[in-house]
Amino acid sequence: DVKVTQSSRYLVKRTGEKVFLECVQDMDHENMFWYRQDPGLGLRLIYFSYDVKMKEKGDIPEGYSVSREKKERFSLILESASTNQTSMYLCASSSRQGVGLPQHFGDGTRLSIL
Amino acid sequence: AQKITQTQPGMFVQEKEAVTLDCTYDTSDQSYGLFWYKQPSSGEMIFLIYQGSYDEQNATEGRYSLNFQKARKSANLVISASQLGDSAMYFCAMRANFGNEKLTFGTGTRLTIIP
Repeated sequence: DVKVTQSSRYLVKRTGEKVFLECVQDMDHENMFWYRQDPGLGLRLIYFSYDVKMKEKGDIPEGYSVSREKKERFSLILESASTNQTSMYLCASSSRQGVGLPQHFGDGTRLSIL
Repeated sequence: AQKITQTQPGMFVQEKEAVTLDCTYDTSDQSYGLFWYKQPSSGEMIFLIYQGSYDEQNATEGRYSLNFQKARKSANLVISASQLGDSAMYFCAMRANFGNEKLTFGTGTRLTIIP
């Protein structure tokens, strides 16, 4: 069965800290994505990756960076956390092997920046 | 650019009734796909149904069907015989079939099923 695992369900950090959110998928998917979800705004794409060591900016990349050193792992980094980055973060992966294949999501990380 | 509009922030429906969740979209792409996801209060996003822009038949998956009207750029989700477990947020999303593979999401509809 498809599995996307995010390292933490809940995380509390302080302003200015460097924060790492980890995501691992076991489906050998080429694509991986990071979204943030805020009430009334839906899901917004932060960064995505088509392949190892490749990354593309999404709609709201400011204040974030990503790393993909291995195919199965995609990390989101908050370089210097700020309170406006308090949000729900969702990781997803998908295959490039056909049209109409859905993205599969992890359970999400609720991040609070104090 | 792609845009998804979900105009119903919240809906309340009696158990066992059918419910239609609205979704309209805007795109300049000729080939694209439309997706619906369910997000229960626990937070995970569950894929429900997919419709391709060139599919002639409306997609169906069990109690879910997609009412696709291409000329009107609408892709409404229909849930038949609603159940208490259908209470959740529902998101409509779209993706171009060529080029990058990112999904564009709507703002969601919170569906509450009343016993």
